[in-house]
Amino acid sequence: EDQVTQSPEALRLQEGESSSLNCSYTVSGLRGLFWYRQDPGKGPEFLFTLYSAGEEKEKERLKATLTKKESFLHITAPKPEDSATYLCAVQVKDKIIFGKGTRLHILP
Amino acid sequence: DSGVTQTPKHLITATGQRVTLRCSPRSGDLSVYWYQQSLDQGLQFLIQYYNGEERAKGNILERFSAQQFPDLHSELNLSSLELGDSALYFCASSGWVQETQYFGPGTRLLVL
Repeated sequence: EDQVTQSPEALRLQEGESSSLNCSYTVSGLRGLFWYRQDPGKGPEFLFTLYSAGEEKEKERLKATLTKKESFLHITAPKPEDSATYLCAVQVKDKIIFGKGTRLHILP
Repeated sequence: DSGVTQTPKHLITATGQRVTLRCSPRSGDLSVYWYQQSLDQGLQFLIQYYNGEERAKGNILERFSAQQFPDLHSELNLSSLELGDSALYFCASSGWVQETQYFGPGTRLLVL
């Protein structure tokens, strides 16, 4: 069965303390992996799409990487406004499967 | 602002009732997706339409149905509502490159 698992479920960091969020997947025929940011009560906001192992993408303090079994979202020197839930999703054929997300809280 | 609009923002109704949620995709997007998000289940894919035709089905109950109209807006119909149907319902759209989806602000449904 296709599965997406995100860890940790929740993470509290001090402002400026870098860390990584993990998204591991077991799927057959990965067509793409996506990262989204979701603020409470709002729709997910698209961040990155990765298509093949070794690919990396960056946006401000965020960097996403992809291997054959997992993806990492690295957050460098985070600020309080980076607090949100980060969702990972994989596309398999015509289906997109979301992980349950990592709730990130950055303390000032 | 993603360019995807959803109405209404909030909906409160009673068990057994029927409601309709509406979604307008981003200009030019042909694909519309519906998702349900509850606290314990995360974001669950319900159904996808592409240019008016059903394209993919996820965990959509038989009490739920959807359609996409010629102007590409979509409606999700929920009937015989149960308490457990209370959730956030999101619509997303994408263009011909259907991988990148842009989400609307959601409709919060509360069934009492």
